[in-house]
Amino acid sequence: IAGITQAPTSQILAAGRRMTLRCTQDMRHNAMYWYRQDLGLGLRLIHYSNTAGTTGKGEVPDGYSVSRANTDDFPLTLASAVPSQTSVYFCASSGTSGSSHEQFFGPGTRLTVL
Amino acid sequence: GQNIDQPTEMTATEGAIVQINCTYQTSGFNGLFWYQQHAGEAPTFLSYNVLDGLEEKGRFSSFLSRSKGYSYLLLKELQMKDSASYLCANMDSNYQLIWGAGTKLIIKP
Repeated sequence: IAGITQAPTSQILAAGRRMTLRCTQDMRHNAMYWYRQDLGLGLRLIHYSNTAGTTGKGEVPDGYSVSRANTDDFPLTLASAVPSQTSVYFCASSGTSGSSHEQFFGPGTRLTVL
Repeated sequence: GQNIDQPTEMTATEGAIVQINCTYQTSGFNGLFWYQQHAGEAPTFLSYNVLDGLEEKGRFSSFLSRSKGYSYLLLKELQMKDSASYLCANMDSNYQLIWGAGTKLIIKP
């Protein structure tokens, strides 16, 4: 693994189904983030984690949950998908001091909820 | 409230110079980031400013005025590959990034 990876690359999901988006980084970054990106809108923070074992809510957390059992992995779960959750989801990670706050992004997961 | 404003779209000619502006109003300030995002790809880091002034990095430069809540990204000697969206983001008092909607830059031959 080099950097940050996400799986799956894309997914079509029926409304009401449960879905987990996976994210793994090998940079030993403390902080990790989940964003959604919709046309015409900026990246919006869903949830974040400043260090393993802790998580926090971002701007648009409803309908999503996360866990951070270790430094490398930060899965995002949609408990019961709805069409408004159709979006491109980006996972990112960063250090936690000075310019190391630069966020590195995974390639994204394109999710369609029908 | 927190707000980041940048133009939706700009057009420029190959070989020319373009300046993309960004204004911000956020709770606290810990630095201003610029990212580049090609269509269908992830954002990639371009620059970080935490002090006032101009930071030059090759063909790209970024400027910050904290008193004015203003930044710009300057791209020189434009190439076709510079066609992308440019995202401005402010790091707030909680060290979270607040993102603008992005400026789509179209380069014409």
